[in-house]
This record gives sequence, structure tokens and C-alpha cells, in this order.
Amino acid sequence: DAGVIQSPRHEVTEMGQEVTLRCKPISGHNSLFWYRQTMMRGLELLIYFNNNVPIDDSGMPEDRFSAKMPNASFSTLKIQPSEPRDSAVYFCASSIKSGTSQETQYFGPGTRLLVL
Amino acid sequence: AQSVTQPDIHITVSEGASLELRCNYSYGATPYLFWYVQSPGQGLQLLLKYFSGDTLVQGIKGFEAEFKRSQSSFNLRKPSVHWSDAAEYFCAVGSWGKLQFGAGTQVVVTP
Repeated sequence: DAGVIQSPRHEVTEMGQEVTLRCKPISGHNSLFWYRQTMMRGLELLIYFNNNVPIDDSGMPEDRFSAKMPNASFSTLKIQPSEPRDSAVYFCASSIKSGTSQETQYFGPGTRLLVL
Repeated sequence: AQSVTQPDIHITVSEGASLELRCNYSYGATPYLFWYVQSPGQGLQLLLKYFSGDTLVQGIKGFEAEFKRSQSSFNLRKPSVHWSDAAEYFCAVGSWGKLQFGAGTQVVVTP
């Protein structure tokens, strides 16, 4: 059974370039989460979707960041333009939300982003 | 506001010795509680979770955790540590899908 799939696993880019991170959640999961992990700030929730609809994007740092979920099996996190301070590991996670129950989040392997 | 505190940034333990990682939380209602482990360069793997019921929960890899409402704690334990347990451990609390993670505890295992 495939877990959460993220691509690319590593990305090196130059300041000012557009970066797109991709995520495929576990089949059947209806909630998807994007996190950022840095040494300084730890793990931060950026945005999460339920049934492809963004529910809470209060963690998105600024307008340079955007996320979409066009269907139940795919999501993107885009940074445009990228800056060196965006360098971090970005994780995608998915889970099942049913009624009042929110089940466990399963994490992907992450995308390690370096902006020069 | 919800928060999670892992008081120990770094713990060194000998192989075969017991391990306890502390986690304290602040939350307005009964939270869902989780422990995750992250090996270097890897994603987060769920060790165990508490939603309700028995306050002592068993997880994978021989780990267990005890929920103590009166102390707002959810400490993780393992009776005998293996070298492969060297990793970073994260406590998380939340509900409705929004998890707040602690800063993590780095565990080093010595021979």
C-alpha cells in the first residue's frame, strides 16, 4: 500500500525562481496537510484541505506561497518568487476525516528545498 | 491557545537502558495526542496515539505512553532502548486535523 508520495525529494533553485512541490495523498484519504520544517521554527502547519477545499491557510507565510488541490489525489505547493529564507523541508500529510473524528496524519518523506 | 512543550531538547541514553521523553500540553478541550519519530532525512512515522479510553497506550517498536489529564502530560517510554531508536521524537496535540507539534527531542543511543 503506497504511502504519501512527494516530489521532488530534493530541489535546489536560485532566488527569484518559481518552485512547485507536489503531493499525492494516500488513496481514500480526504484531508491533506502541508507542513514546513526548519531548525528555527520546527514543524509548522502551512495549510490544510478537506475534500479538496482549503480549510485553514493561516499558516501560509505570505502571498508568495500558494497551494492547490485540484482533485482528491493531487496537491501542489508553489512558491513564487522563492527566497533563501524559504529553504526548509516541506512535508505533505494526509488523513481521513469523518464526521467529528479526525484520524491520524500520515506523512510523506518530504521535499528538501534549498534556495540559493 | 494550544501549545506543546517538550522540555528536553537532547537526551543521551545507553543501549539497553530505559527511556522516557516528556511532553506537556495546553489545550482547551480533550485533545488527540500523538508521538511521532523522525529518523535523519526521513519523514515522520507515527509511534502511537491517544484519542480516548485507556490512558496507557501501546505503540510500535515497543514504545508506550501514558496520558495524565491532571498533569497535562503525555510522556513516552521504552523499557530497553536499541541503537536503532536513535532519532528525533515529536509530541503533537490537536483536533479537527490541526496538529501542534512540540520542538522535538533528539535521542542519542550510546553503546
